Amino acid sequence: DTGVSQNPRHKITKRGQNVTFRCDPISEHNRLYWYRQTLGQGPEFLTYFQNEAQLEKSRLLSDRFSAERPKGSFSTLEIQRTEQGDSAMYLCASSSKIAGGDPDTQYFGPGTRLTVL
Amino acid sequence: AQRVTQPEKLLSVFKGAPVELKCNYSYSGSPELFWYVQYSRQRLQLLLRHISRESIKGFTADLNKGETSFHLKKPFAQEEDSAMYYCALSIYFNKFYFGSGTKLNVKP
Repeated sequence: DTGVSQNPRHKITKRGQNVTFRCDPISEHNRLYWYRQTLGQGPEFLTYFQNEAQLEKSRLLSDRFSAERPKGSFSTLEIQRTEQGDSAMYLCASSSKIAGGDPDTQYFGPGTRLTVL
Repeated sequence: AQRVTQPEKLLSVFKGAPVELKCNYSYSGSPELFWYVQYSRQRLQLLLRHISRESIKGFTADLNKGETSFHLKKPFAQEEDSAMYYCALSIYFNKFYFGSGTKLNVKP
């Protein structure tokens, strides 16, 4: 296991297009988080899954954003009708409370950098 | 509303000097607080958390509920400590709030 992976690493799109990002967490991590990070800011919480259930969603997240984790493993984040203000780094992190793992330590992926033209 | 404030965007110190990265938070409940670090061209990673009360890479942080602070300290900075440092607050580990980060530059 090489840690949390995210694809694609970079995405350039035109305003109005839809984009989808994928996150593969560390195997058997039951918790998965999505964040957005803009230049000069820290990660901004977007949403949280425990297994396949989406338990938290930021009120800052507009209806254009949706996330899924259908089988409790990988997750996708979709942005519909992208706007220039969506340009940011999108980070995924996973953690686990399963015995044997370091509880509640988030392991971050490398991120997907989105540029909306 | 929950908020994490890191007042310094950049902190420059000489090697061997003490370091203190400030973090203040606002939260009405019992907070879980963390420091994350991002070295150049690496992923964001956990440095330490207040519940473990341990020292990692010589860094310590003490939660001061009276002052609502969680400052990160190291008595003697090393060049390899140069990185971005983020303070974070968690609510039941379902949500995390990050500060805007402090860039630490340790000069030789």
